[in-house]
Amino acid sequence: GQQLNQSPQSMFIQEGEDVSMNCTSSSIFNTWLWYKQDPGEGPVLLIALYKAGELTSNGRLTAQFGITRKDSFLNISASIPSDVGIYFCAGQLNGQNFVFGPGTRLSVLP
Amino acid sequence: GAGVSQSPSNKVTEKGKDVELRCDPISGHTALYWYRQSLGQGLEFLIYFQGNSAPDKSGLPSDRFSAERTGGSVSTLTIQRTQQEDSAVYLCASSLDWGGYTFGSGTRLTVV
Repeated sequence: GQQLNQSPQSMFIQEGEDVSMNCTSSSIFNTWLWYKQDPGEGPVLLIALYKAGELTSNGRLTAQFGITRKDSFLNISASIPSDVGIYFCAGQLNGQNFVFGPGTRLSVLP
Repeated sequence: GAGVSQSPSNKVTEKGKDVELRCDPISGHTALYWYRQSLGQGLEFLIYFQGNSAPDKSGLPSDRFSAERTGGSVSTLTIQRTQQEDSAVYLCASSLDWGGYTFGSGTRLTVV
């Protein structure tokens, strides 16, 4: 079945640094979602992408839908302590169920 | 309701006992999903309900797991004869048709 890979698996950064993470697939999708999960909570939707090449921002977050439709990127600028959590990507093709990646665990050091 | 509500938020049970986990989806959402998240791991799909269609049970790990959705709204996930490896956070999500999912805060199950 479809599988998503996320890299890096985990990252430790200094407060104020920019963060980049990505999500790749062996098959194409026509919708990409990025979620963030705070400790002890369920994932919360951050950004949705619906078109190849689309670049969307939400505050300090920017996500892009890759041109090949097989990848997506999430960038966080000027990280702050509350950015800590697990970031999941999810891909969907033609109304099928979303496929979730394994997550990138972000730690922010003061 | 305004969000997806799950209860209980925490459940500790003895090995061999049955447990029921409840999910109240967002009103009007036709699709409902159950996922399992083991410590430090990603989201493992369990089961999916869409309207009145037969549920997609392809992710249920064993016949000890079952779920139902009554009246197209509230869902209950039942785990019979719990085992220690069932310990995990069980997340419920709902969506409008094939839209993005809204997750609940999960039920943390600990089997001792």
